[in-house]
Amino acid sequence: DIQMTQSPSSLSASVGDRVTITCRASQSISSYLNWYQQKPGKAPKLLIYAASSLQSGVPSRFSGSGSGTDFTLTISSLQPEDFATYYCQQSYSTSVYTFGQGTKLEIK
Amino acid sequence: EVQLVESGGGLVQPGGSLRLSCAASGFTFSSYEMNWVRQAPGKGLEWVSYISSSGSTIYYADSVKGRFTISRDNAKNSLYLQMNSLRAEDTAVYYCARDSGISVAVNYYYYMDVWGKGTTVTVSS
Repeated sequence: DIQMTQSPSSLSASVGDRVTITCRASQSISSYLNWYQQKPGKAPKLLIYAASSLQSGVPSRFSGSGSGTDFTLTISSLQPEDFATYYCQQSYSTSVYTFGQGTKLEIK
Repeated sequence: EVQLVESGGGLVQPGGSLRLSCAASGFTFSSYEMNWVRQAPGKGLEWVSYISSSGSTIYYADSVKGRFTISRDNAKNSLYLQMNSLRAEDTAVYYCARDSGISVAVNYYYYMDVWGKGTTVTVSS
């Protein structure tokens, strides 16, 4: 199975900061990479699909990049509502989807 | 409004069984593949199972293979997860999620774009 590794596992930042979260796949997955945001007690929400495409309704301060094995999620200017846990997920192997372990973004 | 609503969770003893349901509304359910994803308390997301729009193709995570069965009834706009031989490690919030995709050049990219609020399964004696 394809393993997904996120870094860091947790991150403290301030409102207005630029933040980058990294996701690495154990093998090349082309651009088959999605990003989700999850707030406590809530279901995950799709932010980015196909590595860099912004889901409808998601603010433009969120962006994704990468291809192959290395990917990044960037939040250009953190807003209070962005403090949450972020997960990457590969959809290259359609028979076994896998998620990263998550990155918890906390207020500094 | 596009919506998924899970039900059927609860407390069950180890070795017991439970059947989860997911009711879909606001979209053509029969046109979409569906997934179950779970989250153990304080842990990350774990994909559990996938079913194609017709039900002809099914996949499972190794952790549930042979114990869980995914199914769907397109006439009832419903997705199901039959869980047998439950273990303490199956304790989690279970989400159903719609599998969507987009064609770009020669590739088709999949993602889970609609999620239910989840139903909680607790396996404990």
